[in-house]
Amino acid sequence: SQTIHQWPATLVQPVGSPLSLECTVEGTSNPNLYWYRQAAGRGLQLLFYSIGIGQISSEVPQNLSASRPQDRQFILSSKKLLLSDSGFYLCAWSSGGAFGGELFFGEGSRLTVL
Amino acid sequence: KQEVTQIPAALSVPEGENLVLNCSFTDSAIYNLQWFRQDPGKGLTSLLLIQSSQREQTSGRLNASLDKSSGRSTLYIAASQPGDSATYLCAATGNDMRFGAGTRLTVKP
Repeated sequence: SQTIHQWPATLVQPVGSPLSLECTVEGTSNPNLYWYRQAAGRGLQLLFYSIGIGQISSEVPQNLSASRPQDRQFILSSKKLLLSDSGFYLCAWSSGGAFGGELFFGEGSRLTVL
Repeated sequence: KQEVTQIPAALSVPEGENLVLNCSFTDSAIYNLQWFRQDPGKGLTSLLLIQSSQREQTSGRLNASLDKSSGRSTLYIAASQPGDSATYLCAATGNDMRFGAGTRLTVKP
């Protein structure tokens, strides 16, 4: 069966520091991968999605970036965090065409920027 | 641009009650509609996926229906239990995937 792992689960970082959140999927190949952010009272916001290695689409211009160095690995990064980057970050995967199949989420990473 | 709305935002019911959660979407050209459950501080758990060609899906005490022409989906929960307490989100997939803000359900013992 397929599983998705996200880490770290919780992170407290000062403003201006870098960020790296990692997500890996097991039990499937060539998944579509997604990064979402869930801010209090604002619902889920799609940040990035990827349909293959090195193929990243950005939905929201900001100081975050994403990379997919391996088929089942998706990384969310920032060189300098802002207070507004605080939130709950969720990685997800699906199979088939982008946005076409059932979406499965990881457990999330809670980021607090101070 | 697709907009997804969930009403009510919060719902509190006594244990054992049957209930319906509503999800409406503005663009009927969708491929599928998915219902999720989210417990506090946790990720989303997929409950049911309804393809655009289907009218409903069932899993245990859950039944989800889809009416594309009216832009509506409902999630029916039978014989609710305290363990059903969570936030329920729907997401409509067309050219992209749009989420509703969720309905926070509390089932009181």
